[in-house]
Amino acid sequence: DAGVTQSPTHLIKTRGQQVTLRCSPKSGHDTVSWYQQALGQGPQFIFQYYEEEERQRGNFPDRFSGHQFPNYSSELNVNALLLGDSALYLCASSLVTGVGEQYFGPGTRLTVT
Amino acid sequence: QKEVEQDPGPLSVPEGAIVSLNCTYSNSAFQYFMWYRQYSRKGPELLMYTYSSGNKEDGRFTAQVDKSSKYISLFIRDSQPSDSATYLCAMNQGNAGKSTFGDGTTLTVKP
Repeated sequence: DAGVTQSPTHLIKTRGQQVTLRCSPKSGHDTVSWYQQALGQGPQFIFQYYEEEERQRGNFPDRFSGHQFPNYSSELNVNALLLGDSALYLCASSLVTGVGEQYFGPGTRLTVT
Repeated sequence: QKEVEQDPGPLSVPEGAIVSLNCTYSNSAFQYFMWYRQYSRKGPELLMYTYSSGNKEDGRFTAQVDKSSKYISLFIRDSQPSDSATYLCAMNQGNAGKSTFGDGTTLTVKP
C-alpha cells in the first residue's frame, strides 16, 4: 500500500517564476492538505481540498492556489515566487471524517534564488 | 503569540532515559492532539493522537493531555538512539487535515 507521494523532491526557481508541486494521497484517502515548513519551524497549513474543491484555507496569499483531481491527487501552484517562499512543502492526506489521522509525504524542497 | 508553543530544545539524553516533551496552547477549541516524529529532511510521521484530556499509551510512548491547563506531553520510555529526531506536537478542532503545529523539539539520544 503506497503512502503519500510527492514530486519533485527538490526544485530550484528564480524570483518571479511560477511552480507546480504534485501529490498523490494514501490509498483510500479522499482529502489532501498542503503545508509549508520553513527551516526550524513547524508545518503551517496552506489549504485543504476535498471533492475537488478548496475546503479550508490558512493565512496564505492568493499567489498560492491548488487543485484536486477526480482521482484525489492534488497540485499546489505558487505564482510570482518570493525568496521567502523557500521551504519544504508537505502534502498530507486524510479522510474527510478524520479527526487525528493525517499522513504526510516526504515533501518537496523548494529553493527560490 | 503563537497558538501552540513547544520547548525548542535541543534535548540530549543517554540511551535508556525517560524523555518528556511538552507543548502548551491557547485555543480552547482544540479537541484532538497529535504527536509526530520528523527525521531530518523527511516528512512528519504520526506517532499517536488523543482526544480530550487523559492518557494514551502505545508501546514506549505515552501521550498525556490536560485541557484545563492547556498542556500536552509525550513521554518516551527506554529511549533509543533511533528515537533521535524532531518531535512535533499538533492539534485541531476536529479536522485532521487542518492542524496547528508547534515548532518542534529536537531530541538526541546518545548511546
